[in-house]
Amino acid sequence: DGGITQSPKYLFRKEGQNVTLSCEQNLNHDAMYWYRQDPGQGLRLIYYSQIVNDFQKGDIAEGYSVSREKKESFPLTVTSAQKNPTAFYLCASSLETANQPQHFGDGTRLSIL
Amino acid sequence: AQSVTQPDIHITVSEGASLELRCNYSYGATPYLFWYVQSPGQGLQLLLKYFSGDTLVQGIKGFEAEFKRSQSSFNLRKPSVHWSDAAEYFCAVDRMNYGGSQGNLIFGKGTKLSVKP
Repeated sequence: DGGITQSPKYLFRKEGQNVTLSCEQNLNHDAMYWYRQDPGQGLRLIYYSQIVNDFQKGDIAEGYSVSREKKESFPLTVTSAQKNPTAFYLCASSLETANQPQHFGDGTRLSIL
Repeated sequence: AQSVTQPDIHITVSEGASLELRCNYSYGATPYLFWYVQSPGQGLQLLLKYFSGDTLVQGIKGFEAEFKRSQSSFNLRKPSVHWSDAAEYFCAVDRMNYGGSQGNLIFGKGTKLSVKP
């Protein structure tokens, strides 16, 4: 079955470390997205990508970086510059960016040790 | 700037009772609207979407939503709630700029639904 796979499900980071969250999709979707979810805050867009080798900043891109070298993959790096990284991170994809519903992975919960 | 407001943070209903979750948006033209549901520790699942046409939209799991332009609302309804409907529900709007889609969504802060037996 097609879907979006996020790994790992739980991730722990020491202060000052960069960590990379994986997101892979086999839906043949063009667009991919990263969201951060905090209790009571809904989902906030970090980065999104419409095509390979191109991506745009979302509402809260500071302290994060992404790459889109393959259509299937859109990894997110949480850098040491992100001062409050503890959150639930969700990856999504869609057929194309305009007006299409997004399909979500099951998320990665990142905690600081 | 566009925004989505879900006025109710938490709602509790009895099993078998009807449900209405509120969603208001700010945008001058007709937006593209979505409702998603999230179970604890999981990703989001699409319940239904509205792009144009009939203002009453049917979705999965017995949910429906009605678009009301005059009230800038897109409320989600279900005639009879089941215990398995307990989850968090998110309303979202396609982010628009000068009449065109920017290719991403703006989400409300969510409404948590609890179901009493």
